[in-house]
Amino acid sequence: EDQVTQSPEALRLQEGESSSLNCSYTVSGLRGLFWYRQDPGKGPEFLFTLYSAGEEKEKERLKATLTKKESFLHITAPKPEDSATYLCAWGKGGSEKLVFGKGTKLTVNP
Amino acid sequence: NAGVTQTPKFRVLKTGQSMTLLCAQDMNHEYMYWYRQDPGMGLRLIHYSVGEGTTAKGEVPDGYNVSRLKKQNFLLGLESAAPSQTSVYFCASSYIGTSWYEQYFGPGTRLTVT
Repeated sequence: EDQVTQSPEALRLQEGESSSLNCSYTVSGLRGLFWYRQDPGKGPEFLFTLYSAGEEKEKERLKATLTKKESFLHITAPKPEDSATYLCAWGKGGSEKLVFGKGTKLTVNP
Repeated sequence: NAGVTQTPKFRVLKTGQSMTLLCAQDMNHEYMYWYRQDPGMGLRLIHYSVGEGTTAKGEVPDGYNVSRLKKQNFLLGLESAAPSQTSVYFCASSYIGTSWYEQYFGPGTRLTVT
């Protein structure tokens, strides 16, 4: 059965304390692994797309990486404004649908 | 350019009542989606549309109906609301082709069924 698991469910960091969020997957025919950010009371916002193992994408303090079994979202020297829920999602060949993980709620304290 | 808008923002229904949620996008997107988001369950796809006049079932379609009569609008209907449909509903849209995965989300509708 295809599935995606995000860990941890919640993460508290001090400002400047780097860490990583994990998205492990078992999906046959993966058509991409995607990261979204969701702020409280708002809809998710697209961050990154990763297609093949070894691929990396960066945006400001965030870097997403992909292996054959998992994806990491690395947060370097986070700031309070990075506080949000981060969702990973996967797409499958032959479909225009995304399946979302349950997310990791990140809190960065000043 | 308003992006994706949803109407209403909040609604309280009694069990058995019906309602329609409206999603509108002004980006000329082909694909549109309806999700629900519940604590501990994440975002789940209810129905989606790959073009005007087309609809398809997602992961949790029971109790909902949809229509896409115009390209820019996607309606989600609840014919007989149940407490289990208490949730936050998000609409999203995306382009056809290689960037289909970059979905643009609306602000959500918080629905409570008592």
